[in-house]
This record gives sequence, C-alpha cells and structure tokens, in this order.
Amino acid sequence: EVHLVESGGGLVKPGGSLRLSCAASGFTFSTTWMSWVRQAPGKGLEWVGRIKSKTDGGTTDYATPVKGRFTISRDDSKNTLYLQMNSLKTEDTAVYYCTAEGSSSSWVYFYYWGQGTLVTVSS
Amino acid sequence: DIQMTQSPSSLSVSVGDRVTITCRASQSISSYLNWYQQKPGKAPKLLIYGASSLQSGVPSRFSGSASGTDFTLTISSLQPEDFATYYCQQSYSTPLTFGGGTRVEIK
Repeated sequence: EVHLVESGGGLVKPGGSLRLSCAASGFTFSTTWMSWVRQAPGKGLEWVGRIKSKTDGGTTDYATPVKGRFTISRDDSKNTLYLQMNSLKTEDTAVYYCTAEGSSSSWVYFYYWGQGTLVTVSS
Repeated sequence: DIQMTQSPSSLSVSVGDRVTITCRASQSISSYLNWYQQKPGKAPKLLIYGASSLQSGVPSRFSGSASGTDFTLTISSLQPEDFATYYCQQSYSTPLTFGGGTRVEIK
C-alpha cells in the first residue's frame, strides 16, 4: 500500500524558514517524479514545484510565486522528499501536499497524495 | 503560464442529476488535462487523465471529453458520494496549473 506522510509544518513568522519532509513507501520512489501542491485555507489547489527522478536528470521546476525562495530536493536512499521554504510570506500559508506523479503513455498526473501538512505564516 | 478557467464555480444539484463541468485552457494543451475530486479535509483524488481516460477504480458515471481548448467533466447520474469540489489541471507544460475548482453542492 502506498503511503506519503508529510511532516514539518507549523507556525512561522514572516521572513522565516521551514523545511517540510515527505516519507514515501509502497512504490519505487527513486524512479518517480515528485511534486508539492499547496492549498490556502478555503482556496483552490496550487502547484508549488517538482523534482524529476535522477534517471531523468533530477531537475527541478517551480511556480513563479516561490521561485528563488523554495527548494525541492530528494534523498532516494531514505525515500524522502523535501521542501525547503525560505523568506516565507503570509501568502504562503496553506496545507502543503506531497504528490507522486504517475504516467500512462505520455499522460502525466498527480497519482498519489499525502494527507497534507499545514504551514501558517503569521506574526 | 497556461491559465485554466473552470466553470461554473459552484452548482447545486440533486441526486440523479447529470452534471457538466467545463475547463478552458488559455492555449492549446492537446489532451494533457486531468480531473480531480476533493472532499472537505481530504487530499484530491485523480478521476480522469489524458482528458478522457478513466482512472482505475473510478465509477463509469464519470467521463471526460475535449474539444480544442475546452474540456468537460460529466457525471451521468450524481450519487451522494459525489458531492465534492472538482479541479481540472493541465500537464502540458510547467508551471503546472489548476482550474479554480467547481463545488458541487446538494440542492
């Protein structure tokens, strides 16, 4: 059975930093592209960024609002995904979901989701 | 960035009704369009990928179609467990983007 378990959320002041972790199990993490998706309270879904598998280059892409402030990394030896968030703003307040991307033919989608971890940026 | 415009933002329907939700892309995305269902307090769940392919385990009352840059999610006969919020998402290019969501409520 697949599990994605996020941790590291909490309350942080504007300008502060936080690192989220996502422990994965039940699938081959090392060959899976992984993304972070967030959802502000009462709002819709917003893609944060992605990291490809090392076999596909291990490169990262980010949404414009977080580019230069957030960094996604992975430790395939620990089956863990990370999101380092710096220079946090109040508008970064959201539930952060870890997702595993699946593919069929050329179609790519968010296949597995974690339960989410809440990040609150407030003074 | 590719903008995804979803409509309506909400609708009130009855059990057994046919429901149609539309998503329009700001440019061509071929069929790189996915649909998700989200219930309150839960993570989203994949329903449809590639615009019209039903994810394994999803009831056949859900279907997706495409016409140019317009995409449609149809629920043929709404069941009580289908009351939720639905999102479209393009996977054509980064940044990956979602529609604003459609909340399906009980009339």
